[in-house]
Amino acid sequence: KQEVTQIPAALSVPEGENLVLNCSFTDSAIYNLQWFRQDPGKGLTSLLLIQSSQREQTSGRLNASLDKSSGRSTLYIAASQPGDSATYLCALYGLSGGSNYKLTFGKGTLLTVNP
Amino acid sequence: DAGVTQSPTHLIKTRGQQVTLRCSPKSGHDTVSWYQQALGQGPQFIFQYYEEEERQRGNFPDRFSGHQFPNYSSELNVNALLLGDSALYLCASSLGWGRRAYEQYFGPGTRLTVT
Repeated sequence: KQEVTQIPAALSVPEGENLVLNCSFTDSAIYNLQWFRQDPGKGLTSLLLIQSSQREQTSGRLNASLDKSSGRSTLYIAASQPGDSATYLCALYGLSGGSNYKLTFGKGTLLTVNP
Repeated sequence: DAGVTQSPTHLIKTRGQQVTLRCSPKSGHDTVSWYQQALGQGPQFIFQYYEEEERQRGNFPDRFSGHQFPNYSSELNVNALLLGDSALYLCASSLGWGRRAYEQYFGPGTRLTVT
């Protein structure tokens, strides 16, 4: 069974700081990995999608990496802003067993960027 | 181009009652997946519909059932509501099933409160 862990559970940083959010998973049989943003009580906004054959993806101030062999992904946010405050979720689209063809999510990291 | 829409936004029900939630997929998408997100947790996969059939199901009891219509919209029904069913219910749409359905677009969710 795929297990997805996100560390830290919560993070508070001053504005302008660069930061890294971590995601680890137990089953490397994945099709892709996706990072989402969720504002309080709202739906999910996709930030970056990395195919299993890729190593990283970039969008603006965001960079996500994927290392299937070690079961890890990181989301790097450069020059953080108060508007980045949200919960960030990591999700994997599986290819085997109970994770087949569906997204398995971590519990998320709650990010607060202080002005 | 309309994204994924869900109705209603909020709902309050009493234990033992039944509830129906609705979802319209993003234009051009034919697959709908439903997720339950309890407070402080990541979304959990409930089931997925493609060509009006349930294709995959997560670890949810039979009280949770669904339907997909010819226009690809979908309903989630929950019978005999329990307090533990209180959650944000998220609908996601994608194109195709299986490997093709890896990029999922999420709606804003329906907040269900069971008292």
